[in-house]
Amino acid sequence: DQQVKQNSPSLSVQEGRISILNCDYTNSMFDYFLWYKKYPAEGPTFLISISSIKDKNEDGRFTVFLNKSAKHLSLHIVPSQPGDSAVYFCAAIQGAQKLVFGQGTRLTINP
Amino acid sequence: NAGVTQTPKFRVLKTGQSMTLLCAQDMNHEYMYWYRQDPGMGLRLIHYSVGEGTTAKGEVPDGYNVSRLKKQNFLLGLESAAPSQTSVYFCASSTLQVPNQPQHFGDGTRLSIL
Repeated sequence: DQQVKQNSPSLSVQEGRISILNCDYTNSMFDYFLWYKKYPAEGPTFLISISSIKDKNEDGRFTVFLNKSAKHLSLHIVPSQPGDSAVYFCAAIQGAQKLVFGQGTRLTINP
Repeated sequence: NAGVTQTPKFRVLKTGQSMTLLCAQDMNHEYMYWYRQDPGMGLRLIHYSVGEGTTAKGEVPDGYNVSRLKKQNFLLGLESAAPSQTSVYFCASSTLQVPNQPQHFGDGTRLSIL
């Protein structure tokens, strides 16, 4: 039972354009949603989060949108830069800090 | 700032061998976690700890044991390694009961079971 799903294994975007990474979830009790970024041979690093009571959170080039009725969230990166090439994991929390991760989306930014 | 440190970084084992993966954090975090990452599966929680001396099962605990004898260390043991346990293992830590505080991850241990 995959509670958090990232249906796109990979995404390729041109430098300077917008990258949109999508995530769907099934558990309406999740309190917070987070995005992590992972480079090869490194651990995931936290990127941005959003509370379930919000619909948007922005941090510099990164914005996360939450649509609770659709059980869908998305991460927008504008403008995309070569250093953004990484695997992005969507994750959700319910209660005491047990993260549930999606499968990840590999983002490639082309020059 | 070391953050979360995992040792070893790489290991190859034969089926049936045992080993212990060590995770150490220097951020005084209460919560610690062990995950495994497999292709197409994301990160799955193996075991976790909410404080020194406590452990609990995660999503995929079978074949693993853990111990948290000191607050800063969280050990993951494989008593009899199986090829299905070939994976990349990540340790993480976080503060207590603050849902929007992110988990901090180590750089992983790549484990191959032959």
